[in-house]
Amino acid sequence: DARVTQTPRHKVTEMGQEVTMRCQPILGHNTVFWYRQTMMQGLELLAYFRNRAPLDDSGMPKDRFSAEMPDATLATLKIQPSEPRDSAVYFCASDPQGTGELFFGEGSRLTVL
Amino acid sequence: KNQVEQSPQSLIILEGKNCTLQCNYTVSPFSNLRWYKQDTGRGPVSLTIMTFSENTKSNGRYTATLDADTKQSSLHITASQLSDSASYICVVTSYGGATNKLIFGTGTLLAVQP
Repeated sequence: DARVTQTPRHKVTEMGQEVTMRCQPILGHNTVFWYRQTMMQGLELLAYFRNRAPLDDSGMPKDRFSAEMPDATLATLKIQPSEPRDSAVYFCASDPQGTGELFFGEGSRLTVL
Repeated sequence: KNQVEQSPQSLIILEGKNCTLQCNYTVSPFSNLRWYKQDTGRGPVSLTIMTFSENTKSNGRYTATLDADTKQSSLHITASQLSDSASYICVVTSYGGATNKLIFGTGTLLAVQP
């Protein structure tokens, strides 16, 4: 049963610490997205990759967030330094053909104290 | 500005009843519209996809409609079950040549009570 796998599922950290979230997309899917979800804003696009190349990271605060895809089986989202306003659920999703059919992971719930 | 608006924001219904969720969009150029179901603590899961030429599509007790002229879509749930309690998110894809842009609604939170 192919699915998107995200780690960690939950992370509690203190302000100023570095946070790294990882995502294993479904094998063969060529487009990978990072979204952030909060009660107030809903799902917001942070960044996405096609064939491992970054296509759009305009939704990401550049001074503290970075997203990479070192190989086809791993995407990472890093926050350094983290702030309380970064507390949210971060979702990774993959898309088999870049047509908008998203398969979401279960999310990484981040709490920054 | 590309936007997707959903209504109502939240809804409570009794088990066994029907309900309809609305999605209005101002997205151009339009490629397709999807409804996702998101259970609490889980990632969204696709329910249906509608393209420009499709008016109605069903997935079990879920029926989606699309009126491309008025730019409205609805999701009808028949004979609701407790497991239908979730957030339902409307997502419109705008085709932008080499890349597509996904515009998300903020969702309708449905609670089905026994």
